[in-house]
Amino acid sequence: SYELTQPPSVSVSPGQTARVTCSGDALPKQYAYWYQQKPGQAPVLVIYKDSERPSGIPERFSGSSSGTTVTLTISGVQAEDEADYYCQSADSNGTYYVVFGGGTKLTVL
Amino acid sequence: EVQLLESGGGLVQPGGSLRLSCAASGFTFSIYDMSWVRQAPGKGLEWVSAISGGGGTTYYADSVKGRFTISRDNSKNTLYLQMNSLRAEDTALYYCTKVTIHLGGLPYFDYWGQGTLVTVSS
Repeated sequence: SYELTQPPSVSVSPGQTARVTCSGDALPKQYAYWYQQKPGQAPVLVIYKDSERPSGIPERFSGSSSGTTVTLTISGVQAEDEADYYCQSADSNGTYYVVFGGGTKLTVL
Repeated sequence: EVQLLESGGGLVQPGGSLRLSCAASGFTFSIYDMSWVRQAPGKGLEWVSAISGGGGTTYYADSVKGRFTISRDNSKNTLYLQMNSLRAEDTALYYCTKVTIHLGGLPYFDYWGQGTLVTVSS
């Protein structure tokens, strides 16, 4: 089975920059998507196709890709950004419709 | 405004069956893939199943293949998930999602319902 690997947790102080990584062998060939999930709420898409931002998502959210790792960057982190973040992609053969990473808990200190 | 409203969750014994429904509104239902994504208590997201707009193509995660069946009724704007031979590990909040695929991209989930809870326990 194909796996996307994320760190379980990331901590950052308000106003600093948070970086959440996601690693997978197929990421050089497949786009990545990022979701934010706050407690008790459904996930919300924050980045699509590696670096595109949906309408309504603040500009402080950005995405990038380098080799087998994609990164979600949140610049000038605010307390409201504390949430779980999930990456999503697929394997290079299209064996699976999509795959999610295990999720990263972002804590704003 | 896109709305997805799930129903049908509940408590079921191991080996039992349950049928989830998702009523969709606010978009042209029949032209979009739809999908189910679940989340076990305190755990991460797991993609479960997807279906093409016309209903002719279906996809399943290995963990549910042969036990779950996804379907849709485009005349009623409703998505379904028939779950048979349920196991304790199927306990989760099941989200109905609308799927979008950009040219050259992968499927992704741009709208989510609030979920319906399935608990498999004796």
